[in-house]
Amino acid sequence: DTGVSQDPRHKITKRGQNVTFRCDPISEHNRLYWYRQTLGQGPEFLTYFQNEAQLEKSRLLSDRFSAERPKGSFSTLEIQRTEQGDSAMYLCASSSTGEQWDTQYFGPGTRLTVL
Amino acid sequence: RKEVEQDPGPFNVPEGATVAFNCTYSNSASQSFFWYRQDCRKEPKLLMSVYSSGNEDGRFTAQLNRASQYISLLIRDSKLSDSATYLCVVNIGGFKTIFGAGTRLFVKA
Repeated sequence: DTGVSQDPRHKITKRGQNVTFRCDPISEHNRLYWYRQTLGQGPEFLTYFQNEAQLEKSRLLSDRFSAERPKGSFSTLEIQRTEQGDSAMYLCASSSTGEQWDTQYFGPGTRLTVL
Repeated sequence: RKEVEQDPGPFNVPEGATVAFNCTYSNSASQSFFWYRQDCRKEPKLLMSVYSSGNEDGRFTAQLNRASQYISLLIRDSKLSDSATYLCVVNIGGFKTIFGAGTRLFVKA
């Protein structure tokens, strides 16, 4: 399967703990996005990488959130001192600037539950 | 006002029905438009891009009206397997992609 993969698929943690999620994009894609989705809403943009450079961060991304994409390949999203409000599906998507429409392809997501 | 607005539904239709979803966007500089489909507890998947002249893919037809900042999706001959949430997606340049909250469709036998 050469699609976008995410790990873990599910994460249950206690409030105050740190969690880290991983995303492996489609190999030839240079753009990588992180979104957060809650029930009944569409995905909300969190951050964006072009190659290894993080070019944009949403105001939704508080200082407890950090994302990296070393070497322009996989990416990690870390949430420190988790809060119950962080419970959501975290989606990763990738795209290529070489495609006409720069279509984004999503991974299966990591569902985070903060107790 | 939200940047991308959709009727949340749900739309409950019988098999074989034709159903239409509407979407409006607020940014007149929006450059590209898409419909994604999302099944319950799954990731969004691209259904179709929306071209300025409108486009069709089998039972699905998408239309764009830039003057009215309006996008539509028409599904003909609905199947049970079409039951899902349909997300209207607008790219306003570069990486900036805005998703609507989605319209839920239930197709009944």
